[in-house]
Amino acid sequence: NAGVTQTPKFRVLKTGQSMTLLCAQDMNHEYMYWYRQDPGMGLRLIHYSVGEGTTAKGEVPDGYNVSRLKKQNFLLGLESAAPSQTSVYFCASTEGGAHTGELFFGEGSRLTVL
Amino acid sequence: GQNIDQPTEMTATEGAIVQINCTYQTSGFNGLFWYQQHAGEAPTFLSYNVLDGLEEKGRFSSFLSRSKGYSYLLLKELQMKDSASYLCAVKDSNYQLIWGAGTKLIIKP
Repeated sequence: NAGVTQTPKFRVLKTGQSMTLLCAQDMNHEYMYWYRQDPGMGLRLIHYSVGEGTTAKGEVPDGYNVSRLKKQNFLLGLESAAPSQTSVYFCASTEGGAHTGELFFGEGSRLTVL
Repeated sequence: GQNIDQPTEMTATEGAIVQINCTYQTSGFNGLFWYQQHAGEAPTFLSYNVLDGLEEKGRFSSFLSRSKGYSYLLLKELQMKDSASYLCAVKDSNYQLIWGAGTKLIIKP
């Protein structure tokens, strides 16, 4: 049972470089989310999707873009990385966001921007 | 603004009981979650409360008082493996999750 899988697990970028984080879930969940986690702060929502082909902005969307071309995949892109984007990124999915909505998280992707 | 408050760090002894508090001020309320997160790992779901009262699940229990904007997570018979961060999150009127910064629980032998 893979659940939610994120790639890559670790990445070091230079300022201005671009990259894409991939999230894949095999639970047929409609809702998918990208969060960032920084020391001393709660998880902050970057972008989310309520179904294939849809995306929406979260609390901290600036500097990030997302796409949900297939139901099982949710991609997070950084077009021009900045040191402020150094963080641990978590992808999560759930069956239905309006209900109990237990989130299933990926293992996280640790990104360092130099 | 919306706010979730939890203690930053707590220490307890193996075999004892510990209570982790969470207070919240949010735009509406559609449920409160507790997640456990071991260092370097992903959060995992522990409990969900939407009505007032106590929900018990093995060694873990979670309590909610909506009128007081207050919840606690109670861990009994503490084990070393319970050393982790415990995250409180509230679903607001837009069904968006607002997260606390987490409480780091240290268990000593």
